[in-house]
Amino acid sequence: DQQVKQNSPSLSVQEGRISILNCDYTNSMFDYFLWYKKYPAEGPTFLISISSIKDKNEDGRFTVFLNKSAKHLSLHIVPSQPGDSAVYFCAAKLVDTGKLIFGQGTTLQVKP
Amino acid sequence: DAGVIQSPRHEVTEMGQEVTLRCKPISGHNSLFWYRQTMMRGLELLIYFNNNVPIDDSGMPEDRFSAKMPNASFSTLKIQPSEPRDSAVYFCASSLLIAGGRSPLHFGNGTRLTVT
Repeated sequence: DQQVKQNSPSLSVQEGRISILNCDYTNSMFDYFLWYKKYPAEGPTFLISISSIKDKNEDGRFTVFLNKSAKHLSLHIVPSQPGDSAVYFCAAKLVDTGKLIFGQGTTLQVKP
Repeated sequence: DAGVIQSPRHEVTEMGQEVTLRCKPISGHNSLFWYRQTMMRGLELLIYFNNNVPIDDSGMPEDRFSAKMPNASFSTLKIQPSEPRDSAVYFCASSLLIAGGRSPLHFGNGTRLTVT
């Protein structure tokens, strides 16, 4: 049972354009959502997070949007740069145990 | 700060052999996590420790998998006997758990395990 789902395995975007990565979840017991970025042969690194009581969090070129009624969150990168090419993992934290549940990941390719 | 250190980076072994993966968390962090990355499931949580005590091992696939954390600076994940379906990248991560919550996880670079 995949509680956190990233239905798009890959995304290709032109440099300078917006990248939108999507994530859906099924459990109402998540209180925090995070995005991690992973380059080949490296571990995931924390990118940005959002509390369940908010609907938007912005950090430079990265913005995360949360739609609780739809159980959906998205990561916007604008403008996209070739260095953003990586695998992006969505993660959600269970409020009771603190466990972090990850999605399958989406591979973003930003073309010059 | 050296970050989370995992060894080995790559492990190739034959089915039936014992495999031991090692992890050194970031100094001062009191929570340690073992994850497995596969194409189908993404990052799966296998087990995590708080203050060296296993809290939740419900993600451990079966009895062939075991994990220990003898002290705050070292943990092992053991697979015995290994099977081809165990082939994956195994990540260790650590974080600081405080009264107000948990810091973001810091991951190591992973161990790529191939069981033939």
